[in-house]
Amino acid sequence: DVKVTQSSRYLVKRTGEKVFLECVQDMDHENMFWYRQDPGLGLRLIYFSYDVKMKEKGDIPEGYSVSREKKERFSLILESASTNQTSMYLCASSLLNTEAFFGQGTRLTVV
Amino acid sequence: DAKTTQPTSMDCAEGRAANLPCNHSTISGNEYVYWYRQIHSQGPQYIIHGLKNNETNEMASLIITEDRKSSTLILPHATLRDTAVYYCIVRVAFGDKIIFGKGTRLHILP
Repeated sequence: DVKVTQSSRYLVKRTGEKVFLECVQDMDHENMFWYRQDPGLGLRLIYFSYDVKMKEKGDIPEGYSVSREKKERFSLILESASTNQTSMYLCASSLLNTEAFFGQGTRLTVV
Repeated sequence: DAKTTQPTSMDCAEGRAANLPCNHSTISGNEYVYWYRQIHSQGPQYIIHGLKNNETNEMASLIITEDRKSSTLILPHATLRDTAVYYCIVRVAFGDKIIFGKGTRLHILP
């Protein structure tokens, strides 16, 4: 079975901290995605990557950056965390033209 | 923006078929229709996808209209565990981003 693993299930960080959310997949998928999910707003795409070192902005990239140095790992970086970045963050991966598999999510609270 | 329109919520009696509609009137010829669902506190889970033919798997059936402007996801015998938010998505192949809409919140009633 495909496994998408997010490094933390729950995370609490302080305003202004640099935050790294890590995602690893074990199925050699080309595509990887980062979403955030907020009540009433649904799942919104932050960034996605279709190959190593390749990235494209999603709908809400502001305040975030990403890194994909290896095919299996896609990191989401909050350069200076703010309270409005408190959210559930979901990582996903897929082959080029198949379904996406999601991790269990990281619930980030910025205080 | 999402390219699909779904009802905000639906109810279905346990044991009956749940039919979830989706409108995708601007779908392009190379775009697939995908369905996912998200059970509370979990990541979304893939259900089924199709291009123009009807599809069936162990979870559900997907009926796509001939003009491809709408589709219906059918859960043949709904159970309480099918209570979830169901998302209909259109997506081209090869590297395209996956954009979710608001989905349909399906309540299965005992």
